Amino acid sequence: NAGVTQTPKFQVLKTGQSMTLQCAQDMNHNSMYWYRQDPGMGLRLIYYSASEGTTDKGEVPNGYNVSRLNKREFSLRLESAAPSQTSVYFCASSENPAGTGGWTDTQYFGPGTRLTVL
Amino acid sequence: GNSVTQMEGPVTLSEEAFLTINCTYTATGYPSLFWYVQYPGEGLQLLLKATKADDKGSNKGFEATYRKETTSFHLEKGSVQVSDSAVYFCALVSNTGNQFYFGTGTSLTVIP
Repeated sequence: NAGVTQTPKFQVLKTGQSMTLQCAQDMNHNSMYWYRQDPGMGLRLIYYSASEGTTDKGEVPNGYNVSRLNKREFSLRLESAAPSQTSVYFCASSENPAGTGGWTDTQYFGPGTRLTVL
Repeated sequence: GNSVTQMEGPVTLSEEAFLTINCTYTATGYPSLFWYVQYPGEGLQLLLKATKADDKGSNKGFEATYRKETTSFHLEKGSVQVSDSAVYFCALVSNTGNQFYFGTGTSLTVIP
């Protein structure tokens, strides 16, 4: 049982390049989340998916797109990276659909992706 | 709006000292409150939670009580260990909203 896995662990991009961060969970969870973590700001929610086939914006969605490929996988795409997107990105999952009581569920986090945009 | 305010760190304690990390919140409705912990190089893990006023969450010797009158959820541990060195995040979700709000984190270092 691997839990939540993320790839890659580290990435360096130039301004304007695109990339996709991958996330997968093997716990059969309904909800998945993408956060970014910046020094002095804690974690901020970018997007979430309450169930397979649905996605919703979080607190800081601008500059990002997401895809809930299936129940296991939830990817985050940067179409045109900017230095302001330099951050550590965490994916998380929780058992129940967010919005139907699922927000109080325990969230399980992946190890993170450290992204630097030059 | 919703927000969480944590005491600033870093906090350095000697082993077996008493720990308090303050957390206060602003929220609409009746939020659920959480403490998550992040060990070096890892993702966050749930430490404890409380979903209604006066509830006490506890785990691994840590405790926090949901105080609606003071809008607080302070984390305490009676005797810290070196292995407790980590960053601690207070968080909330409002029962009327669809967001999860984290505080800025408090770094704890416990020295032998």
